Amino acid sequence: EVQLVESGGTVVRPGGSLRLSCEASGFAFDEYSMNWVRQVPGKGLEWVAGITWTGDNSDYADSVKGRFTVSRDNLKNSLFLQLNNLRGEDTAVYYCARSGTYYVDAFDVWGRGTMVTVSS
Amino acid sequence: DIQMTQSPSSLSASAGDRVTISCRASQSISTYLNWYQQVPGKAPQLLIYGASSLHRGVPSRFSGSGSGTDFTLTISGLQPEDFATYYCQQTYSTPYNFGQGTKLEIK
Repeated sequence: EVQLVESGGTVVRPGGSLRLSCEASGFAFDEYSMNWVRQVPGKGLEWVAGITWTGDNSDYADSVKGRFTVSRDNLKNSLFLQLNNLRGEDTAVYYCARSGTYYVDAFDVWGRGTMVTVSS
Repeated sequence: DIQMTQSPSSLSASAGDRVTISCRASQSISTYLNWYQQVPGKAPQLLIYGASSLHRGVPSRFSGSGSGTDFTLTISGLQPEDFATYYCQQTYSTPYNFGQGTKLEIK
C-alpha cells in the first residue's frame, strides 16, 4: 500500500524549532518529488515547500523562506521539514504530499498530517 | 506569484444535483490545474489533474474543463459522500497556490 506518515508535530514556543518527518512506503520514494502543505484548522491549504527527487533542488513559500528547510533521505525513504524561528501563524496541520506521477506535478498521495502548535 | 480564485465560496445542493465550481488563475497556467476534495478531519485527495484528467479511482461523475485562466469542476449526480470542500491548485509555477476552497453542503 502506498503510504505517507508524518510525525514530529507538537507544541512549541514562539521562536522555537521543530523537525517534522514523513516516512514513505509502498512506492519508489527516490523517483518522486515531495512537498509539504499546511492547513490552519478550519482554513484553506497552503503549499509550504517542495523538493525534487534527487534532493538537489527545493523551493519555498515566501511566508517560510529563510526559516524552514526541506530535505530528504532517499535511503531511509524519508522527507523532512526543519522549522526554525517559529511564529504563531505557523500553527497548522502539516501534510506531506507526493508529486511527479503526472506531468503537471499534481499531489496524488497525501499523509494524514501532523499538528504543529506555536504558543507560549 | 499566481493567485487562484474559486467561486462560489460555498454552495448548497441536494443529492442527485449537478453542480459546478469555478476557478480562475491570475495569469495563464495552460492546463496545470488540479482539483482536490477534502472531507473534514481528513487529508485532501486528488480528483482531477491537468484540468480535465480523472485521477485513478475517482468516479466518472467528476469532470473538469478549462485552460489558460478559467477552469471548472463539475459533479454530475451528487452522492452523499461528495459533500465536502473542494480546492483548485495550480502547478504551473511555484508557489503552487491553492484556491480558497468551495464548501459543498447539503441543502
